[in-house]
Amino acid sequence: NAGVTQTPKFQVLKTGQSMTLQCAQDMNHNSMYWYRQDPGMGLRLIYYSASEGTTDKGEVPNGYNVSRLNKREFSLRLESAAPSQTSVYFCASSEGEPGNTIYFGEGSWLTVV
Amino acid sequence: AQSVSQHNHHVILSEAASLELGCNYSYGGTVNLFWYVQYPGQHLQLLLKYFSGDPLVKGIKGFEAEFIKSKFSFNLRKPSVQWSDTAEYFCAVNAHGNNRLAFGKGNQVVVIP
Repeated sequence: NAGVTQTPKFQVLKTGQSMTLQCAQDMNHNSMYWYRQDPGMGLRLIYYSASEGTTDKGEVPNGYNVSRLNKREFSLRLESAAPSQTSVYFCASSEGEPGNTIYFGEGSWLTVV
Repeated sequence: AQSVSQHNHHVILSEAASLELGCNYSYGGTVNLFWYVQYPGQHLQLLLKYFSGDPLVKGIKGFEAEFIKSKFSFNLRKPSVQWSDTAEYFCAVNAHGNNRLAFGKGNQVVVIP
């Protein structure tokens, strides 16, 4: 059972470099999310996609862009990485109705030096 | 927008002790409430959730939580913890009509054998 798969798992970037985090889910879920997790801050929503073809900003969207490529895939792009973007990034998905369980990927550890 | 408060960020317990983690949210309307657990090095997994009905919710691994609407609370409890309960625990809420989750900052729980 793959569930939510995200790549890469670990990445080190230099300040100013760009990269894309890939995410795919095989549960036919409508909604997908990108969160970042920082010590003492919990999880904060970066962007989400309620359904294929739509994306919306979350709490902390600055410095990021997203693409909902199709129903399965939702990518997160850092155009010009900054040290403040050093974090653990989690992709997640759900059927999209309130109360539905949100399922998380295993996380991507990103360090910007 | 809804927000979630968790208290006592770091909790250290001995095995067989009882655990209670507080969670309060701020939103005046109908909500769905969740507790997620993150074991060391792993992704978030659903522990339990409240959607409607009986306010006392039982989850996996002997955990339970009680929704007290008048107190805007959803506290997590376990009568007797085990070493394997060492993890970070996150409370989350979404408002009806909104499929985005707002997370608390988490409780780091360490159980000493």
